[in-house]
Amino acid sequence: QMQLVQSGPEVKKPGTSVKVSCKASGFNFTMSAVQWVRQARGQHLEWIGWIAVGSDVTNYARKFQERVTITRDMSTGTAYMELSSLRSEDTAIYYCAAAKSWPDVFDIWGEGTMVTVSS
Amino acid sequence: DIQMTQSPSTLSASVGDRVIITCRASQSISTWLAWYQKKPGIAPKLLIYKASTLESGVPSRFSGSGSGTEFTLTISSLQPDDFATYYCQQYNSYCTFGQGTKLEIK
Repeated sequence: QMQLVQSGPEVKKPGTSVKVSCKASGFNFTMSAVQWVRQARGQHLEWIGWIAVGSDVTNYARKFQERVTITRDMSTGTAYMELSSLRSEDTAIYYCAAAKSWPDVFDIWGEGTMVTVSS
Repeated sequence: DIQMTQSPSTLSASVGDRVIITCRASQSISTWLAWYQKKPGIAPKLLIYKASTLESGVPSRFSGSGSGTEFTLTISSLQPDDFATYYCQQYNSYCTFGQGTKLEIK
């Protein structure tokens, strides 16, 4: 069964960083790409960036370019999204999604990770 | 960056209605467009990819069309489970989402 399993909810203080993980199973992780998307309460889906797993090439939305780092660990089949300099506006559900055979559509989604930024 | 503009932002319809949602790209994306259905607390569900290819397991009442800069998602006969928010996403360059269309019960 192809799936992505994300890490659990996080509560962070403003100015700190958060690192969310996304573990893949059931498909060839090396051939895939993983994107990260977030949705704040009442807001639309917002694309953060992606990583092509095999080549380790990344692409970030301009809005997040200075604060986000997406990485992967091929030995464990896990992708990571680290967001720094957190502010309250970063409170959202963060989703990872995989394209099994990159470049292609992102068709496998994780369940989401709630990140709360609060003092 | 490529901007994606969806319309309408909200759509009120009844069970059995045919509805059309439009997505416009700020520059050509060929057919690198996907449509997702989003419900609160649930991850997005892929409906359509490559602008018009129906994802496996998705009911045939959903269809997509378009290329270049103009795209549509059509639901031929609305069912109760279809009331949700729909997003387009271009995956030609970077990966931008439209702002979403909330489909409400009339």
